[in-house]
Amino acid sequence: AQTVTQSQPEMSVQEAETVTLSCTYDTSESDYYLFWYKQPPSRQMILVIRQEAYKQQNATENRFSVNFQKAAKSFSLKISDSQLGDAAMYFCAYRSRNYGGSQGNLIFGKGTKLSVKP
Amino acid sequence: DAGVIQSPRHEVTEMGQEVTLRCKPISGHDYLFWYRQTMMRGLELLIYFNNNVPIDDSGMPEDRFSAKMPNASFSTLKIQPSEPRDSAVYFCASSFWGGRDYGYTFGSGTRLTVV
Repeated sequence: AQTVTQSQPEMSVQEAETVTLSCTYDTSESDYYLFWYKQPPSRQMILVIRQEAYKQQNATENRFSVNFQKAAKSFSLKISDSQLGDAAMYFCAYRSRNYGGSQGNLIFGKGTKLSVKP
Repeated sequence: DAGVIQSPRHEVTEMGQEVTLRCKPISGHDYLFWYRQTMMRGLELLIYFNNNVPIDDSGMPEDRFSAKMPNASFSTLKIQPSEPRDSAVYFCASSFWGGRDYGYTFGSGTRLTVV
């Protein structure tokens, strides 16, 4: 079974600075998707960024980028120029590329609570 | 597009009562997922549907939980009878496959409190 681990329960960053959130995962599959979701106090789950395992190029979305290390099974999220609105819980998630059977669901890590200091 | 719509947003009920949570997925999405979020267990999948058919319900904690998807635009998650340990935030999410992953869209969740 696949597992996702976020080893940093809490992180803090100064406004305008850069912060990196860590995520590791365990899988025997070679093709899969990885995601970062943001959950602000409103509790809405918001997709931040996604990465397809077969793509070597790291995904980027404006101030958000990932460092995908497939061999190391590592998928970290870098937030540049942090803003107060970035304060939230961040969840790393894994999903098999094969949608069949029980492989269609997202497997989440426990989350990292990010605080942004003004 | 109004996104995934869940109702109610908050529900407080007494132990032993029946609770029904509702979800309207995004039109055209062919997958629907029910997740539960607690501090202790994090986000865990309860059940998911593909084209209204339940595919995996192994996450449903016990027989007190049931889920239905009578059509492509509506799903329910029912707890009967409810217990205090069912208190959690319940999320519905939908997605479209179409040969590649377009990502999940989550609803705003229902916060259930069983007293």
